[in-house]
Amino acid sequence: EDKVVQSPLSLVVHEGDTVTLNCSYEVTNFRSLLWYKQEKKAPTFLFMLTSSGIEKKSGRLSSILDKKELFSILNITATQTGDSAVYLCAVEARMRGSQGNLIFGKGTKLSVKP
Amino acid sequence: EAGVTQSPTHLIKTRGQQVTLRCSPISGHTSVYWYQQALGLGLQFLLWYDEGEERNRGNFPPRFSGRQFPNYSSELNVNALELEDSALYLCASSWVWGYTFGSGTRLTVV
Repeated sequence: EDKVVQSPLSLVVHEGDTVTLNCSYEVTNFRSLLWYKQEKKAPTFLFMLTSSGIEKKSGRLSSILDKKELFSILNITATQTGDSAVYLCAVEARMRGSQGNLIFGKGTKLSVKP
Repeated sequence: EAGVTQSPTHLIKTRGQQVTLRCSPISGHTSVYWYQQALGLGLQFLLWYDEGEERNRGNFPPRFSGRQFPNYSSELNVNALELEDSALYLCASSWVWGYTFGSGTRLTVV
C-alpha cells in the first residue's frame, strides 16, 4: 500500500531557529513529491520535486529529494512566527499518462514562538 | 487569473441528508481532484475527474460521488450523511508545476 510518513508530527521552536522537516515515502509509480503549507484552509504550494539531489529554494525555505532512499526534507532557516503552520508532504503517483492523484502524509505542525 | 473556487464555504447538515459541494478549477485546467481532510487525519484522496470522466477513485463508499461538467467545473455529492463525514472538503486542479487547492468547504454533520 502506498504511504507517506512525515516526522516529527509537531515541533515548537523559537524565532530565528532553523528547522528540518522530514518526509519518507513508499509509492509505486512515483512521479513527483510536493510540499505544501496549510495555515487555515487551502494548502499553499511550496515546492515540487522530481529529480534527486537538486535543491529547490524560495527565500528561507529549501527542499531536496533523495529518490534512492525515498525521502525528502524541507528546511526553514531563520524561522518567523508567520512560519507557524502545518506543513504537508504529498507524493504524486502516476496513474494515467503524466497525471495521478496525491498521497499525503499527516503533516508536521510547526509552532514558532516569539 | 482566478484560482480554484469552491462553494459553499460552510455547511451544516443533519445525519441522513444529502449534500452537494461545488468546485471550479483554474481557467484552462481540465482536471479536478477532490480530497477530504477530517480532524486528525491527513488529506484523503476522494475522486479525480478529467475531461468529464472519472479517472480514479479513493477508498470511499459509493455514497460519495460526483461529476464534471463541460466547462470543467465539478460537483461532489455525498448521500446519507454520517457524523464521520464532518470534514474540510478540498478541491484542486493540476498544472505542470503542481496542484493548486481551493479554500475548501467545511461540512459539519449533526
